[in-house]
Amino acid sequence: SYELTQPSSVSVSPGQTATITCSGDVLANKYARWFQQKPGQAPVMLIYKDNKRPSGIPERFSGSTSGTTVTLTISGAQVEDEADYYCYSAPDNDLVVFGGGTKLTVV
Amino acid sequence: EGQLVDSGGGLVKPGGSLTISCAASGFGFTNAWMSWVRQAPGKGLEWVGRIRGKIDNGTIDYAAAVRGRFTISRDDSENRLFLQMTGLKTEDTATYYCTSWTVWGRGTRVIVSS
Repeated sequence: SYELTQPSSVSVSPGQTATITCSGDVLANKYARWFQQKPGQAPVMLIYKDNKRPSGIPERFSGSTSGTTVTLTISGAQVEDEADYYCYSAPDNDLVVFGGGTKLTVV
Repeated sequence: EGQLVDSGGGLVKPGGSLTISCAASGFGFTNAWMSWVRQAPGKGLEWVGRIRGKIDNGTIDYAAAVRGRFTISRDDSENRLFLQMTGLKTEDTATYYCTSWTVWGRGTRVIVSS
């Protein structure tokens, strides 16, 4: 089975840079997406194709990749960025996998 | 920017059936690849399955946990997506979201309990 591994939690001070990693063998050959989910809300796509940002997503959110790890970077994290973050990949044409999620605290 | 509205959730007994649906508007639904994603209370996101758009023949894939029990379908004339769930288990209790990945519904809650 395919697995994507994320840290369960990350904490950062306002204005600092937050980095959330996602690791898995599938990421060496497949694109990743990142989603943000705030409490009681549906997820929102932040990044697709490893580092592309949909329109309307603030520039402080960026994605990068290296080998079997993709990274979501939030430059100048804001209190409003407190949320759960999920990575995603599609290792096969018939399968989609999410990471376990990372709770970001900005305090 | 499009919109998705999920509906049809509710309380169902183990072994029971339920069909939920999702109404799409504001984007090219017919050729959109649509997925169902669920989230158990306090847990992470779990992909349920996907149906490709008309131009890709509408083929369907399912997660192993629901294959053989859940059926995804679509009505392109009505811009609607469906998830038919049978043989429901307590572990199917979750909020179910329809999504094109760029657009998400607000979710509909399914509770499987006796």
